[in-house]
Amino acid sequence: EAQVTQNPRYLITVTGKKLTVTCSQNMNHEYMSWYRQDPGLGLRQIYYSMNVEVTDKGDVPEGYKVSRKEKRNFPLILESPSPNQTSLYFCASSWGRFRTDTQYFGPGTRLTVL
Amino acid sequence: QKEVEQNSGPLSVPEGAIASLNCTYSDRGSQSFFWYRQYSGKSPELIMFIYSNGDKEDGRFTAQLNKASQYVSLLIRDSQPSDSATYLCAVITSGTYKYIFGTGTRLKVLA
Repeated sequence: EAQVTQNPRYLITVTGKKLTVTCSQNMNHEYMSWYRQDPGLGLRQIYYSMNVEVTDKGDVPEGYKVSRKEKRNFPLILESPSPNQTSLYFCASSWGRFRTDTQYFGPGTRLTVL
Repeated sequence: QKEVEQNSGPLSVPEGAIASLNCTYSDRGSQSFFWYRQYSGKSPELIMFIYSNGDKEDGRFTAQLNKASQYVSLLIRDSQPSDSATYLCAVITSGTYKYIFGTGTRLKVLA
């Protein structure tokens, strides 16, 4: 089954404790992306990647890191989480054919930073 | 800051009616436009994309793009209670491969 998986689905942590949210896709997609979704602010892109070793900032990259060492994986790293990073996070992937792009979203990771 | 704006709603329509959802964008160079649907507690899923001026139809859904006025709309004909969801408008900004999403319009279809 074609899918985007994220782990963990739920995470409660404390300020300053480094964490990684994993994202993996099995569709051989070139484009991968991380979003956060907050009430009233909608879905905002954090980072995106056009291909292996190619990443770029979205609208809200501060406090986050990403890496793309393999095509299928795109982990999101919070090196020193803060309460304002409490949010619902989505990973997405697509072929990157932008006029006709279809992004497939993972199930989401609900992160709470105390 | 490049923006995409939507009325947050809720937009309430009776079953069988046409629901009209609107979206405006600020980046005149935006080339691709997308409508996603998100059910409560679920991930967004693509309904349609459009990149040429005019109308594009897919089943009960019609996307309309007017680049001169910088708006894109989604019409849902014969609305069903199962269409009740939040509809997200998204654009790919010019010169980048960055997506900008609107905050979404919540649609309620009343049985």
